[in-house]
Formats: sequence, C-alpha cells, structure tokens
Amino acid sequence: QKEVEQDPGPLSVPEGAIVSLNCTYSNSAFQYFMWYRQYSRKGPELLMYTYSSGNKEDGRFTAQVDKSSKYISLFIRDSQPSDSATYLCAMMSTGNQFYFGTGTSLTVIP
Amino acid sequence: DTGVSQNPRHKITKRGQNVTFRCDPISEHNRLYWYRQTLGQGPEFLTYFQNEAQLEKSRLLSDRFSAERPKGSFSTLEIQRTEQGDSAMYLCASTPIETQYFGPGTRLLVL
Repeated sequence: QKEVEQDPGPLSVPEGAIVSLNCTYSNSAFQYFMWYRQYSRKGPELLMYTYSSGNKEDGRFTAQVDKSSKYISLFIRDSQPSDSATYLCAMMSTGNQFYFGTGTSLTVIP
Repeated sequence: DTGVSQNPRHKITKRGQNVTFRCDPISEHNRLYWYRQTLGQGPEFLTYFQNEAQLEKSRLLSDRFSAERPKGSFSTLEIQRTEQGDSAMYLCASTPIETQYFGPGTRLLVL
C-alpha cells in the first residue's frame, strides 16, 4: 500500500464550478499537509499548508484535514481556466521525509 | 529573485555520458531535497541535506547518482554513465522546517 493515495483523474469541470480534490493516507504519524499546483513542465508551486485537523482558507482555496479518517481535501471555488494544472498533495511526518501523491490533473473549461 | 533556482533547465545527453545539475536554494533554508519526477507521477525522493550533511538517500538511488552540498549552500546532483531510464525531471526543494519550495526543475533526456 502506498503511503499516499490520490486519484489521478483527469478531472474536467466548467468555469465557475467548485472543485474537490482528495488524498488519503495510511501513516498516522503524518502531521503536516500540503497542496501543490504544477503546470506542465514546471516545478510544483506551494498552494496551501496545514498542520492540524480542520479547515484553512486562502482566497478561492480551502484545505481540509481529517486526521481521524486520514483524509485531506482541497476545494477550489469559482474555478478559472488558469486553475488548469496538476494538483499534488504532500505530507510530512516528524522524520523529515515528504510523501507525495501522484497528482490529479484538472482542466477548467471556459 | 529569492526563490529556488536550478541549472540547467534542460539537458540532452547520450547514454553513457555524465551529467551534473545545480540547485541554489533559498539562502536561509538549511534543508535541501532532491527528487525525480516522471510523467504522471509525483516527485520521488532521492536524497536530502541538512546544511552540508547528507542525511538520507533513497534505496532507489543507484551508485551512479551522487550529490553534494559543499558549505551548506548550493547543491549538485551528478549522474554517471546515464541510462535512458534516467530521463525525467529532476527537482530541488528548499525547506525551512515543515514545507517545501521547489525550483523549476531540470528536464533530462537521455538518448
């Protein structure tokens, strides 16, 4: 079993839709949770970072962590064509190693 | 620009040649990570440094791969006797504590 599971998609939505991206994990030692956006042929760009269970909001983006279910989500409101990218979840335990999902490919159709 | 930089951005080489990549992290970050990423996959851990000390290497990292971080500043990743399977994006990440900031990557193509 992989440490982090992420549905690769692809996911296609119309402009203005709410997008929900999800990851599950198996290691209860994970304490830090991140979401990255990666455009084609570019390095990943940090979008959101959370430590505890609950919600964290930043503009159109909301990150949600449920440690009891080992489940994290990223919501994108009012999605834009510029949001079309691959979204990677990442997690870190206290051991200084980061574990990444395989990424979900998102296309927002104008 | 205070972000992470990587050079070169692209490298095409013939099988059997050696290649070296450079990463300049964010100056106040003392941890630096190297990853490899192939199409449709997330970044795969290769190795990481705390200052100049290389603290961990992936079991997947063959002895053809070596990395250095002299003086705890920039880092280099060398691949000797390249193989076609080494073709990938090589990413460097600069880490303050609990998150990571990636560079633009070096895309390697081995012919």
